[in-house]
Amino acid sequence: AQSVTQLDSQVPVFEEAPVELRCNYSSSVSVYLFWYVQYPNQGLQLLLKYLSGSTLVESINGFEAEFNKSQTSFHLRKPSVHISDTAEYFCAVSVPSGSARQLTFGSGTQLTVLP
Amino acid sequence: GAVVSQHPSRVICKSGTSVKIECRSLDFQATTMFWYRQFPKQSLMLMATSNEGSKATYEQGVEKDKFLINHASLTLSTLTVTSAHPEDSSFYICSASGGGTNTEAFFGQGTRLTVV
Repeated sequence: AQSVTQLDSQVPVFEEAPVELRCNYSSSVSVYLFWYVQYPNQGLQLLLKYLSGSTLVESINGFEAEFNKSQTSFHLRKPSVHISDTAEYFCAVSVPSGSARQLTFGSGTQLTVLP
Repeated sequence: GAVVSQHPSRVICKSGTSVKIECRSLDFQATTMFWYRQFPKQSLMLMATSNEGSKATYEQGVEKDKFLINHASLTLSTLTVTSAHPEDSSFYICSASGGGTNTEAFFGQGTRLTVV
């Protein structure tokens, strides 16, 4: 079975400051890794994903995450945040075999960007 | 990208009644759909996985007679909360996959269920 740990439940940060949201996973097999963003009372939107290849993946709105196999981590970073980035962020994993779209989620990190 | 529509977005019902939530894939054929439940300030917990034309597979601890899942077509899955009680109040989210991709599922907007 897989598990995902998001160490920080809340991360407050000032606008235009950098941010890192941490994600560690545990699995006995190779995994796919995902970051999702959820705005209040809405579903989840895929932010970025790692399937294979380059360990650094980027989203269109400036976020990036790096897969580190030795540290079993997939931390999410942004060099300069905006007020509109305020949301809940979930890290998730799935396994390439079997039901690959079945996700195991972390507990989430509430990112609050302060003016 | 693929679009998944979930309806209704909010529903309030009386205790003891049943509520049906729909999850539709609008531009692809969803061979597999997933239903999640999310309590306030918590993560998503998988309730069940359904493949089109087959019975749903429920996660441990989820009552299949209470949460009825139907996936009769490649574009529609429904979750019916039967004899709802206040403790069933939660945010329910579906996701769907198919259309040739086995690496990603696409999420609906979620349904806020309040049982009074």
